[in-house]
Amino acid sequence: RKEVEQDPGPFNVPEGATVAFNCTYSNSASQSFFWYRQDCRKEPKLLMSVYSSGNEDGRFTAQLNRASQYISLLIRDSKLSDSATYLCVVNQAGTALIFGKGTTLSVSS
Amino acid sequence: DADVTQTPRNRITKTGKRIMLECSQTKGHDRMYWYRQDPGLGLRLIYYSFDVKDINKGEISDGYSVSRQAQAKFSLSLESAIPNQTALYFCATETGGGNEQFFGPGTRLTVL
Repeated sequence: RKEVEQDPGPFNVPEGATVAFNCTYSNSASQSFFWYRQDCRKEPKLLMSVYSSGNEDGRFTAQLNRASQYISLLIRDSKLSDSATYLCVVNQAGTALIFGKGTTLSVSS
Repeated sequence: DADVTQTPRNRITKTGKRIMLECSQTKGHDRMYWYRQDPGLGLRLIYYSFDVKDINKGEISDGYSVSRQAQAKFSLSLESAIPNQTALYFCATETGGGNEQFFGPGTRLTVL
């Protein structure tokens, strides 16, 4: 089983749609959780950290379910500029970050 | 100026050549990482360093070596490049404790 698994997509949605991405991780000792965004041929950049209580940043909401070892990212009112690959990332104490392969989103007008 | 820089940005080389990719950072972070990215395979960790005296192998270290010359510099070498090392290579830095990583712009390497 891969350490971090994501549906690769692509997710093709119209502008204004709500889209959700899911991610599962295998190591219950994982302590930190993130969503990164990567535009085509560019470097990944942090989109948001994910906390146990859930957190929201504008149109983006991240949720963590430790019992199910599951992380989600919800994007509301999708914009053309949201088109990118979204990487789920987890970390265990004292080790390097582990990246999922990413989920590709394409938002069309 | 960018906080994390990589040189060169693009490189085409031939099988068997020795190649060095360089990474510099002005963020003052102790931790530095080298990844490669291939279509469909995501980011894979090659080597990482938690401080100047610390070097650790990642998931795919075979065929690669690294040098941490200073806190700000972390170089990746391909001793004898082969075509399946053609990829996009990223350097990243981190303060530690599983916090946010900051990536350089990447080096696109092609081995013919």
